Amino acid sequence: EPEVTQTPSHQVTQMGQEVILRCVPISNHLYFYWYRQILGQKVEFLVSFYNNEISEKSEIFDDQFSVERPDGSNFTLKIRSTKLEDSAMYFCASRQTGSGNTIYFGEGSWLTVV
Amino acid sequence: AQTVTQSQPEMSVQEAETVTLSCTYDTSESDYYLFWYKQPPSRQMILVIRQEAYKQQNATENRFSVNFQKAAKSFSLKISDSQLGDAAMYFCAYRSGDTLAGSYQLTFGKGTKLSVIP
Repeated sequence: EPEVTQTPSHQVTQMGQEVILRCVPISNHLYFYWYRQILGQKVEFLVSFYNNEISEKSEIFDDQFSVERPDGSNFTLKIRSTKLEDSAMYFCASRQTGSGNTIYFGEGSWLTVV
Repeated sequence: AQTVTQSQPEMSVQEAETVTLSCTYDTSESDYYLFWYKQPPSRQMILVIRQEAYKQQNATENRFSVNFQKAAKSFSLKISDSQLGDAAMYFCAYRSGDTLAGSYQLTFGKGTKLSVIP
């Protein structure tokens, strides 16, 4: 069964450093997402991406965050200058077009900012 | 804005028994989708079951079924013949069916931690 894959599975970074989280969505999917889950809290929507542009973003997704689809397969989330409160599990997800289609999640990238 | 409420932070069930996890939601929309995702200790988010709001029939996937009460805005998950591998955090999620919105982002509840007792 096709999967969303994410790298790295775990990254530790110093406060103020830039971090790039990478995702390979399912190949025939056209909508891509990033979600965040702070330890012990619920999963929160960050951003959605379609047709090479952001289609929707949450209040969490401020100027420190950016997303990119640099080639035909990868979808990245960049955090420009990490803060302690950015420590969380970051989930990439994707789905096909059509309103009925389910969103499939990757295994997550656990980011620890120290 | 839509909200999803899971009122049971933790639940436990004996192996082979049945357990029901509760979820309520608030929306003014008539077209939407509801999901249950499972998050085991590995923290991967795994789709368990989905329900389209326009369908009156409750969704079923093997040992997992839902009780969808649209008027009451309730969407509970029933796990039959519970197995040790069912132990996980379970998240209820809502998604708009409005095509104008486009992105169809998910709104999650806070989750219910299910323990299975051997």
